[in-house]
Amino acid sequence: GAVVSQHPSRVICKSGTSVKIECRSLDFQATTMFWYRQFPKKSLMLMATSNEGSKATYEQGVEKDKFLINHASLTLSTLTVTSAHPEDSSFYICSARWGGNEKLFFGSGTQLSVL
Amino acid sequence: KQEVTQIPAALSVPEGENLVLNCSFTDSAIYNLQWFRQDPGKGLTSLLLIQSSQREQTSGRLNASLDKSSGRSTLYIAASQPGDSATYLCAVNSGGGADGLTFGKGTHLIIQP
Repeated sequence: GAVVSQHPSRVICKSGTSVKIECRSLDFQATTMFWYRQFPKKSLMLMATSNEGSKATYEQGVEKDKFLINHASLTLSTLTVTSAHPEDSSFYICSARWGGNEKLFFGSGTQLSVL
Repeated sequence: KQEVTQIPAALSVPEGENLVLNCSFTDSAIYNLQWFRQDPGKGLTSLLLIQSSQREQTSGRLNASLDKSSGRSTLYIAASQPGDSATYLCAVNSGGGADGLTFGKGTHLIIQP
């Protein structure tokens, strides 16, 4: 099956710094990538949709200036958490699909801890 | 707005038992329903995808059923093994939102050796 690689798997940073998370599709061209946030014992919440070559579309309540998304190629999308604060600590997961394929393939997630 | 509920939230059973995980959704106008497995601190692995026109899907020891009219799906795991321990998520694709998916909170399953 299709493979989505997410890096890093875990990051600890100081409050006020920025953190970049990468999501790569290894064996297919991802026309669309999605970014989710997951709190302990909670559902995945969609944050934004990333389409190659265009601006990301953010869900209601998600600050686009805080969560910068770039989808510069068909195999790579990045999420940058700018000026991170402890409340940004969470598990972030990406997913990807190609064309009209309805199946989503998920990355392994990134646990962000902001001190 | 679509809402997905999974029951039970947690389940612990001895190895070898057959078990059923439940998923219910409020809006029956769906395209498909998907069951995922999530291991601690990891991403999601797709287990089974059932189209709205289908009643069930099977993969190995897993069988998922769908009753769209009543807004229910079950995931049946036969002859459970310790390696089945994980959180199982149900996601409904009803076209709302960019990815079309609404996730349940999951069932945390522990299979005791």
